[in-house]
Amino acid sequence: AQSVTQLDSQVPVFEEAPVELRCNYSSSVSVYLFWYVQYPNQGLQLLLKYLSGSTLVESINGFEAEFNKSQTSFHLRKPSVHISDTAEYFCAVRNTGGFKTIFGAGTRLFVKA
Amino acid sequence: SAVISQKPSRDICQRGTSLTIQCQVDSQVTMMFWYRQQPGQSLTLIATANQGSEATYESGFVIDKFPISRPNLTFSTLTVSNMSPEDSSIYLCSVEEGAGGPTDTQYFGPGTRLTVL
Repeated sequence: AQSVTQLDSQVPVFEEAPVELRCNYSSSVSVYLFWYVQYPNQGLQLLLKYLSGSTLVESINGFEAEFNKSQTSFHLRKPSVHISDTAEYFCAVRNTGGFKTIFGAGTRLFVKA
Repeated sequence: SAVISQKPSRDICQRGTSLTIQCQVDSQVTMMFWYRQQPGQSLTLIATANQGSEATYESGFVIDKFPISRPNLTFSTLTVSNMSPEDSSIYLCSVEEGAGGPTDTQYFGPGTRLTVL
């Protein structure tokens, strides 16, 4: 079985500051890792994913996440956030042989001017 | 990418009644999923619905409480039966697109916000 822990329920940050949203997972088998974003009153959207290969993956809007197998982590980072990044971010895992995605509890990122 | 719509977007219901949530996808998909997102908690998978077969329910969810229909490859319904305040939650429809494996991309509807009084 897999589990996902998002260590921060809320992260307030000023505009143009860097941010890191932390995610740790637990699994006895190989996993794929995902970050989803949910903007206010919208559905979840895939932000980025790690399937294989390079452990650093990037999204089109400046976010990146690094898969660290030894730390069982997949932290999400952005060097300079915008007001429009205000949203809830969900980390998720799926075992490489299955269809069930396990989600973390979410981290609410609040970017202040 | 799949575009998913859900109806209703929100509802306030009385205890003991039932609500049926509709999920419409703009493309044909094999697998559809229903999730529950309770306040301050993560998404929890209720069931997986494939067209032409019975839905598969996760531990803690039963068909009598959450009957699901999947009449075709673009539509599904989830009914929340005999509701209690504990059923107050956001209900999300989700589909996968891709080659049919664990690397497929998952898409989500905007959710139905249910409040039970």
